[in-house]
Amino acid sequence: QQPVQSPQAVILREGEDAVINCSSSKALYSVHWYRQKHGEAPVFLMILLKGGEQKGHEKISASFNEKKQQSSLYLTASQLSYSGTYFCGTERATGANNLFFGTGTRLTVIP
Amino acid sequence: GAGVSQSPRYKVAKRGQDVALRCDPISGHVSLFWYQQALGQGPEFLTYFQNEAQLDKSGLPSDRFFAERPEGSVSTLKIQRTQQEDSAVYLCASCRINEKLFFGSGTQLSVL
Repeated sequence: QQPVQSPQAVILREGEDAVINCSSSKALYSVHWYRQKHGEAPVFLMILLKGGEQKGHEKISASFNEKKQQSSLYLTASQLSYSGTYFCGTERATGANNLFFGTGTRLTVIP
Repeated sequence: GAGVSQSPRYKVAKRGQDVALRCDPISGHVSLFWYQQALGQGPEFLTYFQNEAQLDKSGLPSDRFFAERPEGSVSTLKIQRTQQEDSAVYLCASCRINEKLFFGSGTQLSVL
C-alpha cells in the first residue's frame, strides 16, 4: 500500500536542482507532498489531482502521471531552507482522505 | 488555537502501562487523522474521524489501540498494555473535507 520514493537521500549544494520520485502500485486519485524537518510536524507543499497537471510553489513544482501512478517533485536552485525529509502521500479514492505516505527522501542542502 | 495541538509532547511509559494521547484539531476541521511514525519512516495511517464518526480504523495495529472523538472536536488515542514496539511518534492531523492536512508536532512515546 505504501508508495515508493526515490532516492532515499540526496545531498545538494546551494543552487543545485533535485528530483524526488514517488510511485504507487495502486490507482491514484491524488498525490500530496509534505516536507518534515527534524523533530517538527510535516508541512504541506502541494496537492496534485489526477489529470497530469503540474503545479508550482516558488521554486518547487511537481507533476502527476496518473497512468503511470507516479509523481515527481522538482526542486530548482535549492536553498538551505529546503533541507528536510520529503514525503509523498497518496490518496486512492476521492473522499477517502486517508493518505498513505512513502518512506521519505532526506534532502540535505549544504553551502 | 492557530494550529493542531497535541499533548503530551513526550511520554515515557513502562511496558504494560496504559497511555492516552490527546489531539486538539484546528477549529472547524471536520476530519481528523492519527498516524504513527517510526524513526526514519513515513507516517503510517492509524485511523480517521469525520466529526465524531470513526470512518476508518483499519490502520490500528491491534485491539490494544483505541481512538475516540466523542464531540467531534478533541480526540484521544489510547494504547493499552503498551509494548516496546509501540514506541514511535504519534501524529495527529486535521483538515476540512478533501483539503490539505495540518499536522500537529506529535507525541513521542517511548516504552521501556
